[in-house]
Amino acid sequence: RKEVEQDPGPFNVPEGATVAFNCTYSNSASQSFFWYRQDCRKEPKLLMSVYSSGNEDGRFTAQLNRASQYISLLIRDSKLSDSATYLCVVNMLGNEKLTFGTGTRLTIIP
Amino acid sequence: DADVTQTPRNRITKTGKRIMLECSQTKGHDRMYWYRQDPGLGLQLIYYSFDVKDINKGEISDGYSVSRQAQAKFSLSLESAIPNQTALYFCATQGDGEGYTFGSGTRLTVV
Repeated sequence: RKEVEQDPGPFNVPEGATVAFNCTYSNSASQSFFWYRQDCRKEPKLLMSVYSSGNEDGRFTAQLNRASQYISLLIRDSKLSDSATYLCVVNMLGNEKLTFGTGTRLTIIP
Repeated sequence: DADVTQTPRNRITKTGKRIMLECSQTKGHDRMYWYRQDPGLGLQLIYYSFDVKDINKGEISDGYSVSRQAQAKFSLSLESAIPNQTALYFCATQGDGEGYTFGSGTRLTVV
């Protein structure tokens, strides 16, 4: 089983819609969680950290479910500029390295 | 200036040639990483360094070597490039409790 698993998509979503994706992680000792966004042929960029209590940044909401070992990302009122690949990233306690999922590709359709 | 700078941005090289990819950062972070990314695959860790005297192999270190010349500089070398090393290479830094900051990447093609 992969340490971090994501549905690769693609998710094709009409502009203005709400879209959500999940990411599961295998190690219950995982400590820190992030969502990154990567545009085609560009570097990944931090979108948001994921906190135990859940957190929101504008149209984006991230949640963590430790019992079921998954994190989620919700995008409301999607924009064309939200089209990208979204990477789930996990850090385990005592392990300084981050583990990346392979990403979920999202395309917003006009 | 970018926080993490990679050079070159693009490089085409021949099989068997030695090539060095360079990375420098202005964030003052101790931790630096080299990843490669292939189409449809996730980021694969090549090498990482937690300070100037600390170098560690990642998942796919064979065929690569690194040098941490200073806190701000971490270079990746392909001693004898082969076609399956054609990929997009990223350098990243990390501060305490933070996520990674990536460079813009180096697109390497080995022909």
